Amino acid sequence: EAGVVQSPRYKIIEKKQPVAFWCNPISGHNTLYWYLQNLGQGPELLIRYENEEAVDDSQLPKDRFSAERLKGVDSTLKIQPAELGDSAVYLCASSLSAENTEAFFGQGTRLTVV
Amino acid sequence: GDSVTQMEGPVTLSEEAFLTINCTYTATGYPSLFWYVQYPGEGLQLLLKATKADDKGSNKGFEATYRKETTSFHLEKGSVQVSDSAVYFCALRGGTGGFKTIFGAGTRLFVKA
Repeated sequence: EAGVVQSPRYKIIEKKQPVAFWCNPISGHNTLYWYLQNLGQGPELLIRYENEEAVDDSQLPKDRFSAERLKGVDSTLKIQPAELGDSAVYLCASSLSAENTEAFFGQGTRLTVV
Repeated sequence: GDSVTQMEGPVTLSEEAFLTINCTYTATGYPSLFWYVQYPGEGLQLLLKATKADDKGSNKGFEATYRKETTSFHLEKGSVQVSDSAVYFCALRGGTGGFKTIFGAGTRLFVKA
């Protein structure tokens, strides 16, 4: 069974440019998460989806970040415009449901803003 | 709010040494506790979990016991291998944070041959 797939693995962009990350969760998983992992720190939740509905986006900087999960499957996370401080690893994870305690993580997208 | 504190790394051990990585948490209610591992170049993988007090999670020779009285979930392994070199994250879920998983800062482990 395929795991959580993210692309691209690496992205380098200039500041003020837009960038998008894509995530394909495990088939059948209703809950999808986007996490931000800064260097030397643990992941922090940005947004959680239940099917296509964003049920927890309290930590998402909405002035420049947006996300969508059309049809309740794949998801994209966008930053526009990117800032130097956005350089980090963006992780996607999925679980069967919010109540199911185990989340499966993708390999992440490492973003470098120059 | 809920939080997880784990010992700072890096931790450097020789092969076959005993490993302990300390983890303590702050949470209300009855959270589930986890250890995730991140090998170089790979994503986070669930290593083990415990869902209630006094539960012991175990996997691949690693184990951790949910101690509510000391709010701890220390990771242990009796004999580490070079292949155990990775970053280990302690995490909790289900306290006041609800369905959000809250992670510690991670502890990097180096095992020398």
